[in-house]
Amino acid sequence: KAGVTQTPRYLIKTRGQQVTLSCSPISGHRSVSWYQQTPGQGLQFLFEYFSETQRNKGNFPGRFSGRQFSNSRSEMNVSTLELGDSALYLCASSPDPSGQAGNEQFFGPGTRLTVL
Amino acid sequence: AQSVTQPDIHITVSEGASLELRCNYSYGATPYLFWYVQSPGQGLQLLLKYFSGDTLVQGIKGFEAEFKRSQSSFNLRKPSVHWSDAAEYFCAVGPEYGNKLVFGAGTILRVKS
Repeated sequence: KAGVTQTPRYLIKTRGQQVTLSCSPISGHRSVSWYQQTPGQGLQFLFEYFSETQRNKGNFPGRFSGRQFSNSRSEMNVSTLELGDSALYLCASSPDPSGQAGNEQFFGPGTRLTVL
Repeated sequence: AQSVTQPDIHITVSEGASLELRCNYSYGATPYLFWYVQSPGQGLQLLLKYFSGDTLVQGIKGFEAEFKRSQSSFNLRKPSVHWSDAAEYFCAVGPEYGNKLVFGAGTILRVKS
């Protein structure tokens, strides 16, 4: 099976712009989660989608949003970019066949976003 | 609230020496615990996980971890480190519902020859 893929791998944007990142989970996986990784804050959970519904949400402002499509692919959007949004954004998918907790998550390589 | 503490930011070991990376968690119920490894510029790879049962779990690449409820710890060990083990290691705790993970700050492992 192909792993989790994320596109694009690198992005450079300027303050005030918006950006959309894409994640394709492993085939058959229903849960997709997004994390932000920065040197200062480490790995922080953004949100999780399961069967096209947001199931969990982290403590990020409303500028961060996401969605999941019927084929489980997910996108996250950041509007009105700030310098502090520069980070590695990681997507993880999980099979989660029963919708319960504690499933193994498989991470993609990430999208490196730089905001100038 | 859940939290994970990795007290060591950097660790340096000699190739062939044993390794122990520390992880302490705070969680109200029985935790789901994970260790991930991240090489530079890469995503996270799962080394091992603990959900229940035997408190000593084996993972990939010769790693193991022991869950100690009394100490709220889940330390990662390897008997003999290889140069290719140099990377950053993250301990994480899972939720009661869904797949949200709370990560520790990470430990950077350097291996000297």
